[in-house]
Amino acid sequence: AQSVTQLDSHVSVSEGTPVLLRCNYSSSYSPSLFWYVQHPNKGLQLLLKYTSAATLVKGINGFEAEFKKSETSFHLTKPSAHMSDAAEYFCVVSEVDSNYQLIWGAGTKLIIKP
Amino acid sequence: DTGVSQNPRHKITKRGQNVTFRCDPISEHNRLYWYRQTLGQGPEFLTYFQNEAQLEKSRLLSDRFSAERPKGSFSTLEIQRTEQGDSAMYLCASSFRRGGLNEQYFGPGTRLTVT
Repeated sequence: AQSVTQLDSHVSVSEGTPVLLRCNYSSSYSPSLFWYVQHPNKGLQLLLKYTSAATLVKGINGFEAEFKKSETSFHLTKPSAHMSDAAEYFCVVSEVDSNYQLIWGAGTKLIIKP
Repeated sequence: DTGVSQNPRHKITKRGQNVTFRCDPISEHNRLYWYRQTLGQGPEFLTYFQNEAQLEKSRLLSDRFSAERPKGSFSTLEIQRTEQGDSAMYLCASSFRRGGLNEQYFGPGTRLTVT
């Protein structure tokens, strides 16, 4: 059975410094992996997706994530944080034996300090 | 481009009342999902439709909850005899599955408050 673990419930960085949000997954097959972002009182927005093509995936707003099968990780990074990045970020896995249902991590709240 | 829309955006109701929410998916999407999200948590899957067929329901979906998707277009989620524990954000998402990809697009949600 698949599962997703987001290792940090909160991450706090200063504006202009790098962001790292960690995600580990458990999957029986080749998974599809996603990162979604949710700004306060807003809906969920797809940030980026991995679907067995390039292992380094670029998303919106300067975010990217690298799929590392040997480490079962899909960490989200951004070189320089902006105040507008403050939000909740969810790592999500989907695979064939779950009929492609999305399995959600618990979320990481990203706090940006001025 | 009209994404997924949900109505109403907010609903306040008294305990014991029935409520109904509507979701309009992206027009070419054949799959539609309902989730519930409480504060500080990720979305919890409730149910999904492929076209008009309801294919899976979570154990979270008690018999007070019912969802429909007539004609495979918009969907409604009804909660009967609401309880305070039903207070949450109800999210709708839609997708068009190609191969192994199930990329879901979410609406803004309906926030339900049961008093």
